Amino acid sequence: DIQMTQSPSSLSASVGDRVTITCRASLSISTYLNWYQQTPGKAPKLLIYGASTLQSGVPSRFSGSGSGTDFTLTFSSLQPEDFATYFCQQSYSSPFTFGQGTKLEI
Amino acid sequence: QVQLQESGPGLVKPSETLSLTCTVSGDAFSKYYWTWIRQPPGRGLEWIGYVYHTGSTNYNPSLKSRLTLSVDPSSNQFSLNLSSVTAADTAVYYCARVVFGESSKNWFDPWGQGALVTVSS
Repeated sequence: DIQMTQSPSSLSASVGDRVTITCRASLSISTYLNWYQQTPGKAPKLLIYGASTLQSGVPSRFSGSGSGTDFTLTFSSLQPEDFATYFCQQSYSSPFTFGQGTKLEI
Repeated sequence: QVQLQESGPGLVKPSETLSLTCTVSGDAFSKYYWTWIRQPPGRGLEWIGYVYHTGSTNYNPSLKSRLTLSVDPSSNQFSLNLSSVTAADTAVYYCARVVFGESSKNWFDPWGQGALVTVSS
């Protein structure tokens, strides 16, 4: 199975900050990488697919980049509603695996 | 827009079979693959498997020996059966639509609200 490792596991930040979280795959997955946001008690919501394509309706302050084994999710200016947990997920090969999550806290 | 809703018992006894159904509304059921993902309390996400309207499946090998995914296109529903459950199977179970893009890239969107299933005697 492809292992997905996110860093950091948690991060404290403030509204307006520029923040980057990372995701590393145990082998090259090209751009078969998705990002999801999960708020407490809710289902995950798709933010970015194909490493860098923003899902329809997702604010442009979110951006994704990377290819191969190293990927990043960047927030250009944190908003109060962005404080949540973020998961990366590879769709390169089955079984499709997720990172352990990064909790973004105030 | 498509909506998904999980349903099924919230409590299952150890060694018994966990059964959930996902009802899909507002979309062409037969155009997509449909998937299950679970999340133990306070932990990360685990992909369980997916099913197509033809009945074709792809299972996570870690669950394959206990898992059956099935589909009822006439009712816009797909189901999960997980046998011989233990406390380790306690989780929120989500159903979701699988969207395929270029070069077979795929992603899960949208998700159902989730159903907590507790395994306990």
